[in-house]
Amino acid sequence: QSVLTQPPSASGTPGQRVTISCSGSSSNIGSNYVYWYQQLPGTAPKLLIYRNNQRPSGVPDRFSGSKSGTSASLAISGLRSEDEADYYCAAWDDSLSGPLYVFGTGTKVTVL
Amino acid sequence: EVQLVESGGGLVQPGGSLRLSCAASGFTFSSYEMNWVRQAPGKGLEWVSYISSSGSTIYYADSVKGRFTISRDNAKNSLYLQMNSLRAEDTAVYYCARVDTAMAGNDYWGQGTLVTVSS
Repeated sequence: QSVLTQPPSASGTPGQRVTISCSGSSSNIGSNYVYWYQQLPGTAPKLLIYRNNQRPSGVPDRFSGSKSGTSASLAISGLRSEDEADYYCAAWDDSLSGPLYVFGTGTKVTVL
Repeated sequence: EVQLVESGGGLVQPGGSLRLSCAASGFTFSSYEMNWVRQAPGKGLEWVSYISSSGSTIYYADSVKGRFTISRDNAKNSLYLQMNSLRAEDTAVYYCARVDTAMAGNDYWGQGTLVTVSS
């Protein structure tokens, strides 16, 4: 089971700003970088944000990430229809049994 | 162009074994860490295993530890996942993913291969 908790859904109208939260603990978000992935229907995930708030080349600046303590968030500004997808946060977890890479529970974004 | 192509998925009975392969091209495979990530039908992403570029460091999710073995052949530009003692809950699409050296995120993913564990 995932140790990173996200809201199951979020929605907005075109042009609006949507924010997705990701709640973790001191062993994952609190001590490691956070990554965000976008998964469009029927496709493989795509890296959206790395190291908390950095965008890979080609990712629009409408997407931004932030982290504070044991939580992180992804903001999508100027929402567009093509942003309708599932979004996952991820981080390494320094568990007692060894490093684990954990994904969030996922958030489905709907553009109304 | 970076390409990752998984193969080896299919239908297997509970308790059975399967070996997945991931053929890499378009980059220097031996320089990159790799992950296996799976997604059960209609469910979220679950990390399965990690291997360093040389193969000397390996990590597993608790759910597969002792049953799955990750390996790589840098001479063949290939990543593998040997899956033993398969259970119904292992049914999923399995993706191989490259870990970018600078970003440390999974920047390229394969298209996935479906593993179905059922009698």
